[in-house]
Amino acid sequence: EAQVTQNPRYLITVTGKKLTVTCSQNMNHEYMSWYRQDPGLGLRQIYYSMNVEVTDKGDVPEGYKVSRKEKRNFPLILESPSPNQTSLYFCASSFKANYGYTFGSGTRLTVV
Amino acid sequence: AQSVAQPEDQVNVAEGNPLTVKCTYSVSGNPYLFWYVQYPNRGLQFLLKYITGDNLVKGSYGFEAEFNKSQTSFHLKKPSALVSDSALYFCATGGSYIPTFGRGTSLIVHP
Repeated sequence: EAQVTQNPRYLITVTGKKLTVTCSQNMNHEYMSWYRQDPGLGLRQIYYSMNVEVTDKGDVPEGYKVSRKEKRNFPLILESPSPNQTSLYFCASSFKANYGYTFGSGTRLTVV
Repeated sequence: AQSVAQPEDQVNVAEGNPLTVKCTYSVSGNPYLFWYVQYPNRGLQFLLKYITGDNLVKGSYGFEAEFNKSQTSFHLKKPSALVSDSALYFCATGGSYIPTFGRGTSLIVHP
């Protein structure tokens, strides 16, 4: 089944403790992206990647890092999480930017 | 800069009635427009897209969207709503590597 898999689905952590949210797709998509969803703000793009070793900032990149060492994986790294990063995070992939995305099921992160 | 606006936070409709979820856009050049649906505790699912061609685009689950260039709108429609259509709907514009999503419209279909 074609899908984007995110892990974990739920995560509660403490301020400053480094964490990684994994994202993997099995569709050989070139384009991958991370979003955060907050009430009243819709989806905002954090980082995106056009292909292996090619990443760029989205609208809200501060406090996040990404890497794209393999085509299928695009992990999101929070080096020092803060409470304002409490949010619902989605990974998405697409054959190309205009083809429409396939989204993962989301990761609900709480930073206390 | 490109943007989309969804003017309604919530739309209520009775089952069996037609539904419309509104979206207006602001883009330079030819717009790439999308609709997504999000069910509770799920990721977004692609419904349909407009790039070029017919102004009426048909998508998944019986939904369609009407592109209107003069009104810069891309409204989502369905002739007969189902209770199972109740969800959060997002309009989005693409055409770049930083697509823009609207804030979402909660559709509630009453039995």
